[in-house]
Amino acid sequence: AIQMTQSPSSLSASVGDRVTISCRASQGIRNDLGWYQQKPGKAPKLLIYAASTLQGGVPSRFSGSGSGTDFTLTISSLQPEDFATYYCLQDYNYPWMFGQGTKVEIK
Amino acid sequence: EVQLLESGGGLVQPGGSLRLSCAASGFTFSSYAMSWVRQAPAKGLEWVSAISISGSSTYYADSVKGRFTISRDNSKNTLYLQMNSLRAEDTAVYYCTKEGIAATGTEWFDPWGQGTLVTVSS
Repeated sequence: AIQMTQSPSSLSASVGDRVTISCRASQGIRNDLGWYQQKPGKAPKLLIYAASTLQGGVPSRFSGSGSGTDFTLTISSLQPEDFATYYCLQDYNYPWMFGQGTKVEIK
Repeated sequence: EVQLLESGGGLVQPGGSLRLSCAASGFTFSSYAMSWVRQAPAKGLEWVSAISISGSSTYYADSVKGRFTISRDNSKNTLYLQMNSLRAEDTAVYYCTKEGIAATGTEWFDPWGQGTLVTVSS
């Protein structure tokens, strides 16, 4: 099974900061990677698919990049509503695998 | 509006069985693959199982293979997860989710249901 290593596991940031979260696959997965946001007590929400395609309705401050084994989610200017946990997911082959998650907290 | 509504969760003893259901509305259910994803308390997300549009192809995480069975009834717009031989480590919120797919083959989960809690305990 392809393993997804996400880093950091948590980070503290201030409103307006640029935030970067990384996800590394144990083998190449083309661009078959998505990013999800989850707030406490809520279902996850799709932000980005195909590594860099923004889901409709998602603010443009979110962006994704990467291909192969290394991927990045960037929030260009952190907003109060962005404090949440973020997960990457590889959909290259089964079993699909999530990263461990990155909790973005208020500094 | 696309809606996914899970039901069937509850408290079950170790070794017991439970069947989860996910009622879909707002889209052509028979045109989309579906998945179950779970989240243990204070833990991350874990993909559990997926099923193709017709139901002829199914996929499972190693942790549930041989114990869980995914199925669908396209006439009822409903997804199921039959869970047998339940263990304490199966305790989680179970989400159903609709799969999207691009021409390149890349896929994604959107939207997700609100989840149903399964607790395995004596």
